[in-house]
Amino acid sequence: ETGVTQSPTHLIKTRGQQVTLRCSSQSGHNTVSWYQQALGQGPQFIFQYYREEENGRGNFPPRFSGLQFPNYSSELNVNALELDDSALYLCASTGQGFNNEQFFGPGTRLTVL
Amino acid sequence: QQPVQSPQAVILREGEDAVINCSSSKALYSVHWYRQKHGEAPVFLMILLKGGEQKGHDKISASFNEKKQQSSLYLTASQLSYSGTYFCGTDRGADGLTFGKGTHLIIQP
Repeated sequence: ETGVTQSPTHLIKTRGQQVTLRCSSQSGHNTVSWYQQALGQGPQFIFQYYREEENGRGNFPPRFSGLQFPNYSSELNVNALELDDSALYLCASTGQGFNNEQFFGPGTRLTVL
Repeated sequence: QQPVQSPQAVILREGEDAVINCSSSKALYSVHWYRQKHGEAPVFLMILLKGGEQKGHDKISASFNEKKQQSSLYLTASQLSYSGTYFCGTDRGADGLTFGKGTHLIIQP
């Protein structure tokens, strides 16, 4: 069984730029959620995708957007980067609905200068 | 609203027990517990669903009191490998998991 993978591992951008982060879900999982984890904090829910449709969103502005593809892999796009966007971005895949365990990927560390 | 975890940090000797608490002001469908080591992804420990159930595996167990909207994680005879930050994630059905700020657990030999 293939685990959740994310790319890239690390990324450095400057304010105002755009970034795309990628996530491959665990084999057989059709739901992907994205989280932002600032240093010393718990993960904060950004949004969830189920069968290519956004299926729930946290308190993040529209410049955070996403996609899910037919193979259930997913992208997180962030436009007009701000310094506060510096964080670890985690994706998690789930098999059937939210009551099942979420498997987290290793994360992408984004630094905005 | 973010669940409140207590304590914020705890230092134990190997073999001692620990309890980590998680409480919410909102009604919950389920509570999820994760452990995260420095520089790594959170690792799933267990889910507790509505019904006041208690679950466990190995020497880690948890309870969920849905009336009080509280959950507790019990670590028995702690091992060095238990060190890390423990997060509870609460699920209200539609907004993803809302995680607490975490409890830092340090196990000393």
